[in-house]
Amino acid sequence: EVRLLESGGGLVQPGGSLRLSCAASGFPFSTYAMVWVRQAPGQGLEWVSSISVSGADTYYADSVKGRFTISRDNSKNTLCLQMNSLRAEDTAVYYCARHVVAAGCDSWGQGTLVTVSS
Amino acid sequence: QPVLTQSSSASASLGSSVKFTCTLSSGHSSYIIAWHQQQPGKAPRYLMKLEGSGSFNKGSGVSDRFSGSGSGADRHLTISNLQSEDEADYYCETWETNTRVFGGGTKLTVL
Repeated sequence: EVRLLESGGGLVQPGGSLRLSCAASGFPFSTYAMVWVRQAPGQGLEWVSSISVSGADTYYADSVKGRFTISRDNSKNTLCLQMNSLRAEDTAVYYCARHVVAAGCDSWGQGTLVTVSS
Repeated sequence: QPVLTQSSSASASLGSSVKFTCTLSSGHSSYIIAWHQQQPGKAPRYLMKLEGSGSFNKGSGVSDRFSGSGSGADRHLTISNLQSEDEADYYCETWETNTRVFGGGTKLTVL
């Protein structure tokens, strides 16, 4: 069974930093691209960042480019999102998801809540 | 990059059928999309991938009541024999190498 378990969310002040993790199990993690998607309160889904199988290629939404960094450790089956210079508008539930070529995000974690507030 | 357009809301009665539409922007009508369901307070759940030909492949454990169709830029998700647990938000997704795009979502109310 595919399992994705996010952690690291919490309350942080504007301008602060937070590091999210996603522990993957039940599938060969090193053979799948991975994605972070967020959902602000009462809003729809917003893609945040993606990373290739090897980790060599990373992509970001314009809204987080230069502030967030996605990474992965295939030896530990872990996906991370380092979030710096956080803003109120970054407040959201952050989901990690597995991306399958030509099929989309076929497995989702349960999400972790990030609240940016003073 | 592609844009996906969805109606904001829909309603249908228990036991009836409902059809959602996701429209791809100009120049992107050949893209594969995926459909996701998000029940209140829960994480999204993958339903299926849907190609421009109308061919679809459902995720593991997805009920036979869910099906896909479409041609050109319009892609549809149909739910038959509506149940109360189908009340949820439904999102379409597409992607390119360097981006992922979600539609705004359609909120389904089961009457």
